[in-house]
Amino acid sequence: DAKTTQPNSMESNEEEPVHLPCNHSTISGTDYIHWYRQLPSQGPEYVIHGLTSNVNNRMASLAIAEDRKSSTLILHRATLRDAAVYYCILRALQGSARQLTFGSGTQLTVLP
Amino acid sequence: NAGVTQTPKFQVLKTGQSMTLQCAQDMNHNSMYWYRQDPGMGLRLIYYSASEGTTDKGEVPNGYNVSRLNKREFSLRLESAAPSQTSVYFCASMTTGANSPLHFGNGTRLTVT
Repeated sequence: DAKTTQPNSMESNEEEPVHLPCNHSTISGTDYIHWYRQLPSQGPEYVIHGLTSNVNNRMASLAIAEDRKSSTLILHRATLRDAAVYYCILRALQGSARQLTFGSGTQLTVLP
Repeated sequence: NAGVTQTPKFQVLKTGQSMTLQCAQDMNHNSMYWYRQDPGMGLRLIYYSASEGTTDKGEVPNGYNVSRLNKREFSLRLESAAPSQTSVYFCASMTTGANSPLHFGNGTRLTVT
């Protein structure tokens, strides 16, 4: 399975944008990039996914490098409620969740 | 919207005791999963069920058994609990279809003494 690399931790100030990086140099052509986040004492929740083009939804934006070897999750205005562990995961097009590998993610701290 | 419901939320067991963790989803999802999460680490897949009537081992199945009781329910059983099984257990479900997201419950925090 292709793996991802994320920083262990990041800090951001409240109401400022946050850019969470993810490296996935061994990504295959049919792997989608998924992001989940885990709030304290909760299960992970889906945030966003993409293949090649940048994606936006109500929670975040996903910017994917042209060579697809890296991506960035963008929170446009961080709030205290965005403090969580963020996981970047690769998923094969026809793969099941059995093949998802959750690493240790990036712990985001939002400072008031 | 209940989503994925796990019971109990907390449990303390003595070494050698058995228990069953319950999971139910109300989203009519075909696939269900059990993960464990140890402190400061990511999730590891224990068992999964791609559809009603089927179950398969994940990354760390030793010491666990599962039952897919029906489409809604997927239980995880520890026959003889060990301290190494102290962890937070998460159940998740997913519908079929490319890139459908996983939906997680809020976990069961298990301590084995």
